[in-house]
Amino acid sequence: QSALTQPAAVSGSPGQSITISCTGTSSDIDVYDYVSWYQQQPGKPPQLLIYDVSHRPSGVSNRFSGSKSGNTASLTISALQAEDEADYYCSSYTTTSTVVFGGGTKVTVL
Amino acid sequence: EVQLVESGGGLVQPGRSLRLSCITSGFIFGDYGLSWVRQAPGKGLEWVGFIRSKTYGGTTGYAASLDGRFILSRDDSKNIAYLQMNSLRTEDTAVYYCVRDRIPTIIEPVTFEYWGQGTLVTVSS
Repeated sequence: QSALTQPAAVSGSPGQSITISCTGTSSDIDVYDYVSWYQQQPGKPPQLLIYDVSHRPSGVSNRFSGSKSGNTASLTISALQAEDEADYYCSSYTTTSTVVFGGGTKVTVL
Repeated sequence: EVQLVESGGGLVQPGRSLRLSCITSGFIFGDYGLSWVRQAPGKGLEWVGFIRSKTYGGTTGYAASLDGRFILSRDDSKNIAYLQMNSLRTEDTAVYYCVRDRIPTIIEPVTFEYWGQGTLVTVSS
């Protein structure tokens, strides 16, 4: 199972919105709504941001939103803040009963 | 408070074995499936495997890339999950995270809500 495809880096200025894409295949994102997004700060474990494509866990800012179209999922961060600078990973359940992650996207706040 | 604490990491020679433990608290351990996710230094996340709750027979699933070298198990009486790693290779060097799914009734690993702090495994001669 190949990793999901994410851009290596995305940047934006404070207050702007950015979108991170996550492209999969007909074996994962295209067939399941089990897409999650995680934020990882340096030296820390990942933190769940979005699950089931577009749902936010309690405590996660509503500046984070998720969506999906076909085999591509997206994470949008609105009103970008300095604290959003981190690595972001998508994941999806697959038709082989496994989980595949994206390669990760480094978000830089300019 | 849900807590997952990994232990057992360290330096090990190629070809040897190592067993990691994930000690949990703050939730009904037997109701949940648990996954392991690893992260090589400076690299991305890689799902390792999943062990279902006893409701689903405690059955397991693994990433194909592991070539059958890793084995997951659980002891519901102690609230501990284990990752037995055999025939270790240098490419297995990573931080290994124990993660719990979001809801107890799920039969497959879909949403990793709680993560441990991770334990570093270094495979080197």
